[in-house]
Amino acid sequence: SQQGEEDPQALSIQEGENATMNCSYKTSINNLQWYRQNSGRGLVHLILIRSNEREKHSGRLRVTLDTSKKSSSLLITASRAADTASYFCATVLFMYSGGGADGLTFGKGTHLIIQP
Amino acid sequence: SQTIHQWPATLVQPVGSPLSLECTVEGTSNPNLYWYRQAAGRGLQLLFYSVGIGQISSEVPQNLSASRPQDRQFILSSKKLLLSDSGFYLCAWTSTPLGTQYFGPGTRLTVL
Repeated sequence: SQQGEEDPQALSIQEGENATMNCSYKTSINNLQWYRQNSGRGLVHLILIRSNEREKHSGRLRVTLDTSKKSSSLLITASRAADTASYFCATVLFMYSGGGADGLTFGKGTHLIIQP
Repeated sequence: SQTIHQWPATLVQPVGSPLSLECTVEGTSNPNLYWYRQAAGRGLQLLFYSVGIGQISSEVPQNLSASRPQDRQFILSSKKLLLSDSGFYLCAWTSTPLGTQYFGPGTRLTVL
């Protein structure tokens, strides 16, 4: 089953507004990462937040992590048409055994549409 | 700087035909390499990963296979494609399994 689940599945807002996406996960994690995917393209890494961090910023992006609730949120401020994309959260499991695949587990994503 | 290439970009194949998708990474040594599949409107499913030449681990049973003949080359293959193999195939690399993954542009595979 999916480790991370994004909410909402789809979000449509006006340009200039803020967009908030949420991610919930099930087990203890080492870190949580957010990725963006433009239609038909590969994924682009946005931000990584470690389990001992609560908030992280990168430009117009703000990510929070609440390990007690096993949830994270991605806030995009002052949205632009170019922000239209799917956004995925991915978790790295805490119980890393040394194998290469105890790595990212992706959710199904939030499809964000910015209306001009 | 590091770059990752995938080819072909798109592929249309008949059921029962063979498959070979290639991924190469430049600008880094001994990367961890991954193959993912993304069905329409879905998240990513990890198919294979490799921590070194000739070392392949599979995450799901299927009619696909992977090989790593060189340090920075990762190949996804099938002897006989199924309709269910259609999807968007993404290759990714990372220098550490706990860190950021860097994705290639993907291959859109349609099996008819």
